[in-house]
Amino acid sequence: KAGVTQTPRYLIKTRGQQVTLSCSPISGHRSVSWYQQTPGQGLQFLFEYFSETQRNKGNFPGRFSGRQFSNSRSEMNVSTLELGDSALYLCASSLGWTSSNEKLFFGSGTQLSVL
Amino acid sequence: GENVEQHPSTLSVQEGDSAVIKCTYSDSASNYFPWYKQELGKRPQLIIDIRSNVGEKKDQRIAVTLNKTAKHFSLHITETQPEDSAVYFCAASDRGRRALTFGSGTRLQVQP
Repeated sequence: KAGVTQTPRYLIKTRGQQVTLSCSPISGHRSVSWYQQTPGQGLQFLFEYFSETQRNKGNFPGRFSGRQFSNSRSEMNVSTLELGDSALYLCASSLGWTSSNEKLFFGSGTQLSVL
Repeated sequence: GENVEQHPSTLSVQEGDSAVIKCTYSDSASNYFPWYKQELGKRPQLIIDIRSNVGEKKDQRIAVTLNKTAKHFSLHITETQPEDSAVYFCAASDRGRRALTFGSGTRLQVQP
């Protein structure tokens, strides 16, 4: 099976712009969760989708949003970019209905740089 | 919500020595505690996990122990090898948000 695929691998944007990141989960996985990774901060939970519905959300401003399509692919959108949004954005897929108690399969991430 | 603290932030050991990384969590209802390894430039990968009905779990050179009373869990790596060099993240299930809360990571360096 192909692993979790994220595109693009790298993005450079300027403040005020918006960006869309894409994540294709492992075939058969219906849960997709998103994390922001910054040096020294670990992985901060953004949100999780299951069957096209957002199941839960972390403590991020409303500029961060996402969606999931019927084929379980997910997109994450960040509007009005700020310098502090520069980070590695990881998505992860899992087989069950929640990511909180089972193995996560991570993608390679999208490295976002905001100038 | 859940809060996970991880120590130390960096750890350097000689090849063949043991390494121990500790995490504490705040939510007594948490019941799932995985450990992820992230090599430089790579994606995080699960190396071992433990559920709250078990006190210890071992997989070859890696073991995890859980103390529910004290709300802490630890990763133990024995006979370390250079390929163990990576960043290790602990996590705990956040029952309220139904998501994993990760620690801030430990950078392990194994000196040959």
